[in-house]
Amino acid sequence: EPEVTQTPSHQVTQMGQEVILRCVPISNHLYFYWYRQILGQKVEFLVSFYNNEISEKSEIFDDQFSVERPDGSNFTLKIRSTKLEDSAMYFCASKRDGNYGYTFGSGTRLTVV
Amino acid sequence: KNEVEQSPQNLTAQEGEFITINCSYSVGISALHWLQQHPGGGIVSLFMLSSGKKKHGRLIATINIQEKHSSLHITASHPRDSAVYICAVSHRDDKIIFGKGTRLHILP
Repeated sequence: EPEVTQTPSHQVTQMGQEVILRCVPISNHLYFYWYRQILGQKVEFLVSFYNNEISEKSEIFDDQFSVERPDGSNFTLKIRSTKLEDSAMYFCASKRDGNYGYTFGSGTRLTVV
Repeated sequence: KNEVEQSPQNLTAQEGEFITINCSYSVGISALHWLQQHPGGGIVSLFMLSSGKKKHGRLIATINIQEKHSSLHITASHPRDSAVYICAVSHRDDKIIFGKGTRLHILP
């Protein structure tokens, strides 16, 4: 069964450093998403991406965050200057269209020290 | 803004018991999702439904659109069913709004 692949599975970074989280969605999917889950809390929406542009973003997704789909296969989330409170599990998800369900990646655990 | 409420928050049961987890939401939706999250953190989609009932193995999901309510049932529960079960809702082509999840622990 097709999978959404996320790398790395775990990343530790110093506060203030830039991080790039990578995702390879399923090849025929059209809608892409990033979510995050702070330890012990519910999963929160960050951003949705369709047709090579952001379709919606949450208030969490401020100027420190950006997304790209640079080559038609990878979907990346960049955090420019990480803060301690960015420590969380980040999930990528993709969907073919409105008639289909979402497929989630296995997540990247980001630890900011 | 759609609010998703789940109950119970935590559930411990003996192996073999019939399990029910409930979910209610506040605003009309295009689909409701039941997801499973294991201790390692990965999220697996179990069901997406917009009406009626779906069954997959020992799992059954139902939804009542008029009452804005859904249930997830597990028959003949097994320790390997232990996980966090999350109810989430979406609008067409839109983001998912997650509930807080129900932590299920099945004792052998």
